[in-house]
Amino acid sequence: QSVLTQPPSVSGAPGQRVTISCTGSSSNIGAGYDVHWYQQLPGTAPKLLIYGNSNRPSGVPDRFSGSKSGTSASLAITGLQAEDEADYYCQSYDSSLSGPWVFGGGTKLTVL
Amino acid sequence: EVQLVESGGGLVQPGGSLRLSCAASGFTFSSYWMSWVRQAPGKGLEWVANIKQDGSEKYYVDSVKGRFTISRDNAKNSLYLQMNSLRAEDTAVYYCARLLGGHWYFDLWGRGTLVTVSS
Repeated sequence: QSVLTQPPSVSGAPGQRVTISCTGSSSNIGAGYDVHWYQQLPGTAPKLLIYGNSNRPSGVPDRFSGSKSGTSASLAITGLQAEDEADYYCQSYDSSLSGPWVFGGGTKLTVL
Repeated sequence: EVQLVESGGGLVQPGGSLRLSCAASGFTFSSYWMSWVRQAPGKGLEWVANIKQDGSEKYYVDSVKGRFTISRDNAKNSLYLQMNSLRAEDTAVYYCARLLGGHWYFDLWGRGTLVTVSS
């Protein structure tokens, strides 16, 4: 059971908009710690997608956006493309655990 | 090119030991926190250990405390993970990752090395 909760899967047709939620608690997201998102394409290493809740590293398309409110965060992908099919993970810091760098369980995005 | 390259994975029996290495290039290694993150087959990501720039601070997930040791050699631009008393549940791809201190996100990842613990 992950400290950060994500839906196991989401799907959408090309061109559509999808969102992936990441629900935490008062000891992580709700405590003010930033949320970060990673994209893992099939058979590859994770790649930083969003940092500091809503910032995109250089090279990440603006189709990807992040937001945070209260104890939750969301990743939105607009103009869905086939190459977006991947696993997505949220990550934050948790002050209540001795293993404080925590990930969500991951969400598999399927492009229909 | 900025990159991290892991090595040292393989098949090991339960109770055995293995040492992973990560070679960094293209950036000032000594200026960054570094981490190991693992991913069991078909599962999600799990943070394993962090080490501060000068090695003065180290943190571990509970499940590996007392068994794994993270270290670094800034002169060789290298990160290590000594894994002892290995268990079947340690089977995973181990990724070396660069950690942005203070912001606490992983901005650069290696391709990973597979560790399989089995008899």
